[in-house]
Amino acid sequence: DAGITQSPRHKVTETGTPVTLRCHQTENHRYMYWYRQDPGHGLRLIHYSYGVKDTDKGEVSDGYSVSRSKTEDFLLTLESATSSQTSVYFCAISGQGEYSPLHFGNGTRLTVT
Amino acid sequence: QKEVEQDPGPLSVPEGAIVSLNCTYSNSAFQYFMWYRQYSRKGPELLMYTYSSGNKEDGRFTAQVDKSSKYISLFIRDSQPSDSATYLCATGAAGNKLTFGGGTRVLVKP
Repeated sequence: DAGITQSPRHKVTETGTPVTLRCHQTENHRYMYWYRQDPGHGLRLIHYSYGVKDTDKGEVSDGYSVSRSKTEDFLLTLESATSSQTSVYFCAISGQGEYSPLHFGNGTRLTVT
Repeated sequence: QKEVEQDPGPLSVPEGAIVSLNCTYSNSAFQYFMWYRQYSRKGPELLMYTYSSGNKEDGRFTAQVDKSSKYISLFIRDSQPSDSATYLCATGAAGNKLTFGGGTRVLVKP
């Protein structure tokens, strides 16, 4: 699992509530990513970070925010959860440079009722 | 049209057969090519990683890239039931800027 821990592993929440997912890495990698995986859509990038306090949007960032106050932690927040955000969320990390591939955590399964 | 297309399967083969998987991509700027394996309720695990056209072999796995046709293949020789998983192709302009295919589910029957 490349030293990546995601928490919680499962969560059920109600529409309209805020939700925060956590990714913790022990590899000291510079880059961290949040993806969501849905049937028919594959893995889609939500947000990524290229350093402490440095983040940028991916292709499906609406309704999500992120924060990275320490190298090892990357938080994904759903400000007001909707049913369309029911998904499996994966955190990934990579080293610096274009030759560094992504390594993934084991995911958080989120259900919004 | 998606940037990376992959047949969702399922692809069912008998144990010991060769598994053949493929993807097509549309962006000629993509130059990094990867295959990930994903078991149920687990994260994707990097299997193969190549930068150039041609073949790369690692044990029972062979990855092929044909940049002229924008075609990526993965072959698994002597398939085992433990190879039953979803296989994701990924490509991009950098190893950490990837576009993923939707995955092909593979079932290897004993």
